[in-house]
Amino acid sequence: DTAVSQTPKYLVTQMGNDKSIKCEQNLGHDTMYWYKQDSKKFLKIMFSYNNKELIINETVPNRFSPKSPDKAHLNLHINSLELGDSAVYFCASSQGTGDSNQPQHFGDGTRLSIL
Amino acid sequence: GDSVTQMEGPVTLSEEAFLTINCTYTATGYPSLFWYVQYPGEGLQLLLKATKADDKGSNKGFEATYRKETTSFHLEKGSVQVSDSAVYFCALRSGGYQKVTFGTGTKLQVIP
Repeated sequence: DTAVSQTPKYLVTQMGNDKSIKCEQNLGHDTMYWYKQDSKKFLKIMFSYNNKELIINETVPNRFSPKSPDKAHLNLHINSLELGDSAVYFCASSQGTGDSNQPQHFGDGTRLSIL
Repeated sequence: GDSVTQMEGPVTLSEEAFLTINCTYTATGYPSLFWYVQYPGEGLQLLLKATKADDKGSNKGFEATYRKETTSFHLEKGSVQVSDSAVYFCALRSGGYQKVTFGTGTKLQVIP
C-alpha cells in the first residue's frame, strides 16, 4: 500500500564504504527526487528525474550517483562515505511535467550514520 | 531565484492556543504554495496547498491564504493539540519546473 517506499530505513556503516539506497513509488508519478535533511531539519534537493531523465542535479559531490532504471524507481549510490554524509535521505515523487500544482509525496526516509 | 522564508522555531504553545507560523516567498511567475508537516521519525506529508492568489488551503483545522500582494502564505490554526507537535515546512513550486523550494522548517511543540 505504501506510496513511496525507501530501503533501508536505517543504515549504519564505516567511513570509506560504498552503499546504496533504493526508492520505489507506486503512484504512477513521472518525477522522482532525492533530498538530504540535516540535523537541523534543513531539506536540500540533490537530484530529480523525470521519466528516467536527469533534470535537476544540484551541487552534490560526484561520490553520489543516482540511477533510475524506470519511472517507478530512483536509487542513490554513494561511494567512499564520509562523516559529513550522515543525514536522513528522503525520496519523493510527483506528477505533472510542467504542472506546478501537484504536491510531492515523500518516503519515510533513510537514516544514514557514518562511524 | 525562488526562495521561501519561515519564522524560526521552535514554537512552544499550550494546548488550545492559537497558532500562526509565518511564511513569505519570492518567486518568478505565479507559484503554487504548499505547507508540509513532518512528524517525528517520518517523511513529509502534504498538509494543504493553494495554487493562485486569494486561494485558501485548509486541512485538519489548519488554514493558509495565498496573498500575492504581501507574498505570504501564513499557516494558522485556531486551537492546537498535542498531536500537532511536528516540524512544518512552507514550500513553493513554480510552473514549468519540477523543483520545489522549501523553507527551513518550523518546529512546533504543543504542551498539555
